[in-house]
Amino acid sequence: QKEVEQDPGPLSVPEGAIVSLNCTYSNSAFQYFMWYRQYSRKGPELLMYTYSSGNKEDGRFTAQVDKSSKYISLFIRDSQPSDSATYLCAMDTGNQFYFGTGTSLTVIP
Amino acid sequence: KAGVTQTPRYLIKTRGQQVTLSCSPISGHRSVSWYQQTPGQGLQFLFEYFSETQRNKGNFPGRFSGRQFSNSRSEMNVSTLELGDSALYLCASSLDAGTGDNEQFFGPGTRLTVL
Repeated sequence: QKEVEQDPGPLSVPEGAIVSLNCTYSNSAFQYFMWYRQYSRKGPELLMYTYSSGNKEDGRFTAQVDKSSKYISLFIRDSQPSDSATYLCAMDTGNQFYFGTGTSLTVIP
Repeated sequence: KAGVTQTPRYLIKTRGQQVTLSCSPISGHRSVSWYQQTPGQGLQFLFEYFSETQRNKGNFPGRFSGRQFSNSRSEMNVSTLELGDSALYLCASSLDAGTGDNEQFFGPGTRLTVL
């Protein structure tokens, strides 16, 4: 079983839709939870991070962590064509990062 | 502030050869981590260097090695290349430890193709 599981998609939504991206994990030692966005031919860039259960909001993005269920989510409100990218979840034990395989998102104008 | 740079951007090698990839971190960043990214496995951690010392290592064979210089620049080497080594190799730098509260900045990657 992989440390981090992420639905690869692809996901295609119309502009303005709410997008939900999810990851599950098995390692209780994970302390930090992150979401990265990766555009084609670019390296990943950090979108959001959190270290506790609950919600964290940043503009159109909301990260949600449920440690009891070992489940994290990223919600994108009012999705834009510029949000089209691959989204990677990542988790950190304090010594090493573990990444999901990424979900490819396309927002159609 | 210049971002993380990686050279070369693209590389084509044949099986059995060796390759060296280079990463220049953001100025002032002392931690450099290397990852292998493939469509099936996603991003997998190779190793992390801090102040010229390997601090953490992932589950890759000994053919994968790295080093860090006093100016924090890092290189990774893959010897006896195999077809399965074809991937995007990403370097990430951070101020200190590569933990979630210390953001990792990724370079654009080096696309390695092994024929």
